[in-house]
Amino acid sequence: QSVLTQPPSASGTPGQRVTISCSASSNIGSSPVNWYQQLPGTAPKLLIYSNNQRPSGVPDRFSGSKSGTSASLAISGLQSEDEADYYCAAWDDRLNGPVVFGGGTKLTVL
Amino acid sequence: QVQLVQSGAEVKNPGASVKVSCKSSGYNFISYGITWVRQAPGQGLEWMGWISANNGNTNYAQNLQGRLTMTTDTSTSIAYMELRSLRSDDTAVYYCARLVRNRLNIWFDPWGQGTLVTVSS
Repeated sequence: QSVLTQPPSASGTPGQRVTISCSASSNIGSSPVNWYQQLPGTAPKLLIYSNNQRPSGVPDRFSGSKSGTSASLAISGLQSEDEADYYCAAWDDRLNGPVVFGGGTKLTVL
Repeated sequence: QVQLVQSGAEVKNPGASVKVSCKSSGYNFISYGITWVRQAPGQGLEWMGWISANNGNTNYAQNLQGRLTMTTDTSTSIAYMELRSLRSDDTAVYYCARLVRNRLNIWFDPWGQGTLVTVSS
């Protein structure tokens, strides 16, 4: 079974840089990782795709990286409106397998 | 702009079925797939499956096989998700999203606004 593991919570103060990790089990460890942001009471929104690509409209304060089976989302210049849940996701492409979401990380801006 | 608009909230009895619609606009519907993701109250995101709008091919999550059917109507650019034999633990917000893919990756962008399905007697 494919698993993505995220810390349940993270926090930072305005202006700070925070990172959120996403660790993949070996069977999807080579798959690209995508990140979604879910603001309170709203639908998720694509934040980063293919490890480090930002869709148009996403501020460059958000960046993604991946090394081996671990991915990270970094947010620099933290703002109060960044307080949200963040999910990593990856596709198990063996035999057209499932998409797996991490458990989510709740980011609190102190 | 690309937009996905879902049908309204539903309340169902246990054992019933629910069918949620998702209307796409602003892009060539048959050039992409549609995926469905659900979120139980206070919980994380659970991928349910996807459907190719081009040929109707589907890929369902193993735990929902047998109860789940996804379809599309290319004449109206509407995708449907039907879940049968509903249980209380199917209570969730159901999201549709446009599925974008390349050779190595699949991602979801944008998402619909969500449809709350409540299963309760």
